Amino acid sequence: KAGVTQTPRYLIKTRGQQVTLSCSPISGHRSVSWYQQTPGQGLQFLFEYFSETQRNKGNFPGRFSGRQFSNSRSEMNVSTLELGDSALYLCASSLGRTGYNEQFFGPGTRLTVL
Amino acid sequence: AQKITQTQPGMFVQEKEAVTLDCTYDTSDPSYGLFWYKQPSSGEMIFLIYQGSYDQQNATEGRYSLNFQKARKSANLVISASQLGDSAMYFCAMREGWTGNQFYFGTGTSLTVIP
Repeated sequence: KAGVTQTPRYLIKTRGQQVTLSCSPISGHRSVSWYQQTPGQGLQFLFEYFSETQRNKGNFPGRFSGRQFSNSRSEMNVSTLELGDSALYLCASSLGRTGYNEQFFGPGTRLTVL
Repeated sequence: AQKITQTQPGMFVQEKEAVTLDCTYDTSDPSYGLFWYKQPSSGEMIFLIYQGSYDQQNATEGRYSLNFQKARKSANLVISASQLGDSAMYFCAMREGWTGNQFYFGTGTSLTVIP
């Protein structure tokens, strides 16, 4: 069974630009969660999608948004990039039926904002 | 208050020895799940072990076991017979409630296995 895939793996953008990251979950998984990981803040939850609906959201500004498609693939968008948005963005998928399903993480997208 | 606290930023262990990584959590929800993840230098998060709040037995997965002390709100990870490949960051995480709640992660413990 293929794992969680994230594209692109590396991205360099400049301040003010916008970026879209993609995540393809494991086949059959309906929940996709996004996390931001930085050396200073650690792992922070961005949002979770389940069956195309945002089920939960972390404490990030509205510049961070996401969506999930009917095939469970998910995209995350960051508008008006700031230097502080430089981070590793991790996507995780799970069956999602309960809160205790194991999450499987993708390799991440490393975003650098110049 | 922090939901998940990992007080050991870095740990060293001799190869083949056992090591305990500490994790305490804070929740008032009677239903919750506790997870441990490993993150090697490659960056990918690898699930290790899960413990539910209603589970009577401590979880075990191969060389990994979770020392769950509910009254103390601790969920320490024990790695037996450490291997060089165990060198990585280890994160403790918690999810409250049944569905629709976010994962809370600790700040992680960097484990180095010495040959």
